[in-house]
Amino acid sequence: GESVGLHLPTLSVQEGDNSIINCAYSNSASDYFIWYKQESGKGPQFIIDIRSNMDKRQGQRVTVLLNKTVKHLSLQIAATQPGDSAVYFCADRGAGNTGKLIFGQGTTLQVKP
Amino acid sequence: EPEVTQTPSHQVTQMGQEVILRCVPISNHLYFYWYRQILGQKVEFLVSFYNNEISEKSEIFDDQFSVERPDGSNFTLKIRSTKLEDSAMYFCASSEPTSQGNSYEQYFGPGTRLTVT
Repeated sequence: GESVGLHLPTLSVQEGDNSIINCAYSNSASDYFIWYKQESGKGPQFIIDIRSNMDKRQGQRVTVLLNKTVKHLSLQIAATQPGDSAVYFCADRGAGNTGKLIFGQGTTLQVKP
Repeated sequence: EPEVTQTPSHQVTQMGQEVILRCVPISNHLYFYWYRQILGQKVEFLVSFYNNEISEKSEIFDDQFSVERPDGSNFTLKIRSTKLEDSAMYFCASSEPTSQGNSYEQYFGPGTRLTVT
């Protein structure tokens, strides 16, 4: 079946450093990928998305890179701030057009002051 | 900024009881979803709903589960006879239509924590 996974359950970085969170997916037919941020006690919050016809997309302080050859997705956060501390999930849109999202396990980002 | 809301924030129920989790999606959205997240685990898709019918459901979404859009604003998830393993956070999400059909970006509510004892 389809699966989406992250490489590290926890990432600890110093405030001001850049963070890179990685994700691997299994479905080569996936055409859309999203990164969500989940703070404690809250629902997933959209960060950035990318379609399969792109390799890179930038937002405010965040960049998503997509490598379809190795089925790998990464989220880069520039100048990480304490407010970035959360669990980060990658997700891809499952096969079909129903909008189903398949989430990875999640990486907990800890920002040290 | 419009947001998805869910009630209650926490529901405690006894095994075998029925529960209804309620969601109010963003007003102009037409695609609705339920997901669940067992403590410490990833978010799992349960069901998608469009045009007053289920468009896709997962293996988790068995006969004990049902969804309904009883009026123009609410979207509910019912579990008829809860089991201990139904204990989880349940998230509602919605997305807006585009000219190509379903929008990709889904907006999530804050979740309902269901505890089955």
